[in-house]
Amino acid sequence: AQTVTQSQPEMSVQEAETVTLSCTYDTSESDYYLFWYKQPPSRQMILVIRQEAYKQQNATENRFSVNFQKAAKSFSLKISDSQLGDAAMYFCAYRSFQGGSEKLVFGKGTKLTVNP
Amino acid sequence: DTEVTQTPKHLVMGMTNKKSLKCEQHMGHRAMYWYKQKAKKPPELMFVYSYEKLSINESVPSRFSPECPNSSLLNLHLHALQPEDSALYLCASSRREGNTEAFFGQGTRLTVV
Repeated sequence: AQTVTQSQPEMSVQEAETVTLSCTYDTSESDYYLFWYKQPPSRQMILVIRQEAYKQQNATENRFSVNFQKAAKSFSLKISDSQLGDAAMYFCAYRSFQGGSEKLVFGKGTKLTVNP
Repeated sequence: DTEVTQTPKHLVMGMTNKKSLKCEQHMGHRAMYWYKQKAKKPPELMFVYSYEKLSINESVPSRFSPECPNSSLLNLHLHALQPEDSALYLCASSRREGNTEAFFGQGTRLTVV
């Protein structure tokens, strides 16, 4: 079974600085997708960025970028120019196909605090 | 419309009550999901519907009964719940194929008393 590991329960960053959140995963599949979701106190899970496993190029969305190392099964998220609104729980997620249907597996999350 | 709408936002129910959670999306997504999330924990998958058919049941107790009446609606019927079932229940949807993410609703905060 696929597993996703986030080794940093909590992280903090100064406003305008850069922070990197770590994620590793375990899978025997060759084709899959990886996601970072953000969950602020408002509870809604919001997609931050996604990465296709077959693409070597790292995904980028404005201030958010990933470092995808397929051989190492690593998928870290870099947040540049951190803003107060970035404070939230961040979940790394893996999407697999099981039995013909989609299944999203989450890591335990990293709580990010942004200090003014 | 990129929203997944869940009702109610909050629900308090007794252990002998029967209630239902509702989820609706109009994005044409054919996969819909129920997740349970306890405080400070990641979401845990409960059920997956694909093309209105139940495709994954993660060994959820029978006091939770999902229903997918059509491609836009997903219900979760609750009966004889226990206090430990208190949690945030999240609904999500995604396209069946392709590189697309799951869109989540804001959840229903359920308290069982």
